[in-house]
Amino acid sequence: DAGVTQSPTHLIKTRGQQVTLRCSPKSGHDTVSWYQQALGQGPQFIFQYYEEEERQRGNFPDRFSGHQFPNYSSELNVNALLLGDSALYLCASSNRQYSNQPQHFGDGTRLSIL
Amino acid sequence: QKEVEQDPGPLSVPEGAIVSLNCTYSNSAFQYFMWYRQYSRKGPELLMYTYSSGNKEDGRFTAQVDKSSKYISLFIRDSQPSDSATYLCAMRETSYDKVIFGPGTSLSVIP
Repeated sequence: DAGVTQSPTHLIKTRGQQVTLRCSPKSGHDTVSWYQQALGQGPQFIFQYYEEEERQRGNFPDRFSGHQFPNYSSELNVNALLLGDSALYLCASSNRQYSNQPQHFGDGTRLSIL
Repeated sequence: QKEVEQDPGPLSVPEGAIVSLNCTYSNSAFQYFMWYRQYSRKGPELLMYTYSSGNKEDGRFTAQVDKSSKYISLFIRDSQPSDSATYLCAMRETSYDKVIFGPGTSLSVIP
C-alpha cells in the first residue's frame, strides 16, 4: 500500500520564477493538506483541499495556490519566488470520513531558491 | 507568544536512558494531540495520537496530555540510537482542523 508520494524530491529555482509541486495521497484518503517547513522549524500549515476545493488556509500570501484533482491528487503552486520560500514542502493526507484519524505525511519536496 | 512552544534542544542521552520531551500551548481549544518523529531528509512519522487529557502507551512510548496545564509530554523508555531524530509535537482543535506544530526537539541517543 503506497503511502503519500511527492514529486519532485528536490528542486532548484531562482527568484521570481514559478514552481509546481505534486502530491498523491495515501490510498483511500480524500483530503490533502500542504505544509511549509523551514530549516530548524516545525511545519506550518499552508492550506487544505477536500472535494477539489480549498477548505482552510494558513497565513500565507496569495502567491501560494493549489489545486485538487478528481483522483484526490494535489498540486501546490508558488509564484514570484522569494529567497524566503526555500524550505521543505510537505503534503499530508487523511480521510474525511474517518476524521478522528491523524494525517500521514510524505517525505516532501526540498525547494531551494537562488 | 507562539501557539505551541517546545525546547529545541539538542538533547543528548546515553543508550537505555528514559527521555522526556515536552510541549506547552496557549490555545485551550486544542483537543487532538500528536507526536511525530522526523529523521533527516524525511517527512514526519506519526508516533502517538491522543484525544483530550490522559495517558496513552505504545511499546516504549508513552504520551501524556494535561489540558488543565496546557502541557503535553512524550516519554521514551530504553532509548536506542535509532531513536535519534527530531520530535515534533502537534495539535488541532477539531478533527478537521489544521494541525499546529511545535518547532521540534532534536534528540541524539549515544551508544
